[in-house]
Amino acid sequence: DTGVSQDPRHKITKRGQNVTFRCDPISEHNRLYWYRQTLGQGPEFLTYFQNEAQLEKSRLLSDRFSAERPKGSFSTLEIQRTEQGDSAMYLCASILSGSRGEQFFGPGTRLTVL
Amino acid sequence: LAKTTQPISMDSYEGQEVNITCSHNNIATNDYITWYQQFPSQGPRFIIQGYKTKVTNEVASLFIPADRKSSTLSLPRVSLSDTAVYYCLVAPDTGTASKLTFGTGTRLQVTL
Repeated sequence: DTGVSQDPRHKITKRGQNVTFRCDPISEHNRLYWYRQTLGQGPEFLTYFQNEAQLEKSRLLSDRFSAERPKGSFSTLEIQRTEQGDSAMYLCASILSGSRGEQFFGPGTRLTVL
Repeated sequence: LAKTTQPISMDSYEGQEVNITCSHNNIATNDYITWYQQFPSQGPRFIIQGYKTKVTNEVASLFIPADRKSSTLSLPRVSLSDTAVYYCLVAPDTGTASKLTFGTGTRLQVTL
């Protein structure tokens, strides 16, 4: 257990539905990252927050995706009008800004879109 | 960001030393080399990080030659529980945490 939690761990939804995932980082960590991982591939960066500010978004993050970190603590990732191609593991990681090296990853949320 | 190349898979017997080499020919002066481990259905876990020569911790050793164009992660006496995917990452150290760029990793299978 890294101290980063994600909820739910698994989500099955039908195409076209909206889904929301939650990430609770380590409490003193002010940077929070979202990654997406498909089968057989390494995680791919989606977006990150410094406190409540969203500072960078990948081109992978289409306009159906939105992420928030309203009080600089937990974060949510919402996918609207899900597509089968959204099926993946969504990982959250946190780190203290200014520190080097280790990002602490949560266990991920596995999304299956039918 | 420097591109990395590592073997897709490796097999080992329990108790052996495993060395996974990563190539990063266009590594920049301010790049660090970091290795992560990932078990199925879990997030990646930091193993070790280095800049040059040798770094050792309780889990692994990291060997980096003088030209820094490659690095080798060494796992001493692996066990079945070391079966996982290992990722080599190269990224600049800006003094603040940056996003990670993962490749496809090396899938290590340890058997009896």
